Amino acid sequence: KAGVTQTPRYLIKTRGQQVTLSCSPISGHRSVSWYQQTPGQGLQFLFEYFSETQRNKGNFPGRFSGRQFSNSRSEMNVSTLELGDSALYLCASSAGDSIWEKLFFGSGTQLSVL
Amino acid sequence: KNEVEQSPQNLTAQEGEFITINCSYSVGISALHWLQQHPGGGIVSLFMLSSGKKKHGRLIATINIQEKHSSLHITASHPRDSAVYICAPIHLGGGGSQGNLIFGKGTKLSVKP
Repeated sequence: KAGVTQTPRYLIKTRGQQVTLSCSPISGHRSVSWYQQTPGQGLQFLFEYFSETQRNKGNFPGRFSGRQFSNSRSEMNVSTLELGDSALYLCASSAGDSIWEKLFFGSGTQLSVL
Repeated sequence: KNEVEQSPQNLTAQEGEFITINCSYSVGISALHWLQQHPGGGIVSLFMLSSGKKKHGRLIATINIQEKHSSLHITASHPRDSAVYICAPIHLGGGGSQGNLIFGKGTKLSVKP
């Protein structure tokens, strides 16, 4: 069974641009959650989607948004990029209906904002 | 003060030693994850537990929800256990219908041969 796939692996953008990251969960998993990891703040939860609905959201500004498609693939969008958005963005999928079953993480997208 | 505190921040051990990593939290939680992150970024979920103890191979995790404390133990440590271990409680009332995941800063473990 294929694992969680995130694309692209690396991305370089400039301030003010927008970016879209993609996450394909393990087949059959309906929950996809997103995380930001920086050296200063560590890991932080962004949001979680289940069956195309956002169920939970962390404490991030509205510039960070996401969506989930009917095949459970998810995208995350960051608009008006700031230097502080440079981070490793991780997604994870889980099989159960409960949001916090065992999580399977992708390898992440390393975003650099110049 | 951080909602999740891990100790120690850094840990160096000799191969074969018994290792304990501690996690304390100040908010109400429903359960807690222990995660392992290797150099290069990949994260593996080791345990999710809401009470008592769980064991998987040489890894043991315990939690006392009332005392707001969890521990991760590694028996007979090996150099391949070298990684960052992250405690991640599920914070009730954290903004979502089922709680949000919050994270400790991690414990960097290095096991020398």
